[in-house]
Amino acid sequence: DQQVKQNSPSLSVQEGRISILNCDYTNSMFDYFLWYKKYPAEGPTFLISISSIKDKNEDGRFTVFLNKSAKHLSLHIVPSQPGDSAVYFCAARAGNEKLTFGTGTRLTIIP
Amino acid sequence: NAGVTQTPKFRILKIGQSMTLQCTQDMNHNYMYWYRQDPGMGLKLIYYSVGAGITDKGEVPNGYNVSRSTTEDFPLRLELAAPSQTSVYFCASSASRVSQETQYFGPGTRLLVL
Repeated sequence: DQQVKQNSPSLSVQEGRISILNCDYTNSMFDYFLWYKKYPAEGPTFLISISSIKDKNEDGRFTVFLNKSAKHLSLHIVPSQPGDSAVYFCAARAGNEKLTFGTGTRLTIIP
Repeated sequence: NAGVTQTPKFRILKIGQSMTLQCTQDMNHNYMYWYRQDPGMGLKLIYYSVGAGITDKGEVPNGYNVSRSTTEDFPLRLELAAPSQTSVYFCASSASRVSQETQYFGPGTRLLVL
């Protein structure tokens, strides 16, 4: 029972363009959502988060959008840079419960 | 500035062997976690600890044991390795549970059970 789903295993984007990574969830109790970035041979690192009381959170080139009615969130990276090539995991939690992670999307930025 | 360190980086085990995955953090964090990541899957929580001497089961605890004798160390023990335990194991720590977004992860241990 995958409560957090990232349906695109991989995505390729030209450098300078916008990268959009998507995530869907099924548990309506989730109230906090996070994106992690992972380089090969390293652990995930926190990137950006959003509370369910908001529909947008921005941090530099990274923006996360939350559509609660559709149970969908997305991560926008603009402009995309070669250093953004990594695996991106979305994660969600309900209250103070454990994080539930998605399966990840491998983003490749093409120079 | 070490953060979270894990050893070994890679290990091959035979079925039935045992081993301990080491995890150490130098940030004085109370909370520590063990996750496993199977190919094409998200991270699954195995065990976690809210402080020295206190541990609790996560989502997939079967086949594993943990201990937390100090704030810094949180070893994960596999007693009878099985092929299903082939995975990448990540240790993480955070200052508190409500700050899970600032979990700091180690680089991972890749385990292959044959």
